Amino acid sequence: ETGVTQTPRHLVMGMTNKKSLKCEQHLGHNAMYWYKQSAKKPLELMFVYNFKEQTENNSVPSRFSPECPNSSHLFLHLHTLQPEDSALYLCASSQEPTSGDLSAKNIQYFGAGTRLSVL
Amino acid sequence: AQTVTQSQPEMSVQEAETVTLSCTYDTSESDYYLFWYKQPPSRQMILVIRQEAYKQQNATENRFSVNFQKAAKSFSLKISDSQLGDAAMYFCAYRSGAYNFNKFYFGSGTKLNVKP
Repeated sequence: ETGVTQTPRHLVMGMTNKKSLKCEQHLGHNAMYWYKQSAKKPLELMFVYNFKEQTENNSVPSRFSPECPNSSHLFLHLHTLQPEDSALYLCASSQEPTSGDLSAKNIQYFGAGTRLSVL
Repeated sequence: AQTVTQSQPEMSVQEAETVTLSCTYDTSESDYYLFWYKQPPSRQMILVIRQEAYKQQNATENRFSVNFQKAAKSFSLKISDSQLGDAAMYFCAYRSGAYNFNKFYFGSGTKLNVKP
């Protein structure tokens, strides 16, 4: 157990559905991430949040909408998805250095992912 | 953007033997971090080992060690005394050492099979 929890573990949805993926970290970290993992491809970084502020949006289609209400929770809202969006979605967190504390080790801790199937 | 290449999609090793997984990366930076992550069938990515580019000494964690060749931009992982529990996907990852730049770049992974 890495301290990062993702729900649900599996999700099947139609192209017209709206659903949300949830991620919660219990590590007191200040940065959270969404990744897409497809078979035989490198992990694709989707979004980065630092101190609840979105700092990275890696050209992700607008049918994926992230939300970070606080530093412990991260959501990925899904709507009007396509079959090619079927993948494993991984959440991660890390403690990033701040001006007051440069000792953070920049290590990402991952959740177990949500396996998404779009029919 | 930095790229990370793992040229071995799949490898096999006999239990108790040693195996080396390869990783190369492309960067123009001098300060960065390199990681090896393990992803077992449970899907949870787990950090295996971390290397800071400014450190010449290769990182080691029990049976896991790296061969970090900065000039060659190579970062291989050696697993000694392989165990059945080592069977997993292994991902090499890179991140910039620049302050407040926390993008991670991952390779496509190497599937390691361990034969009893």
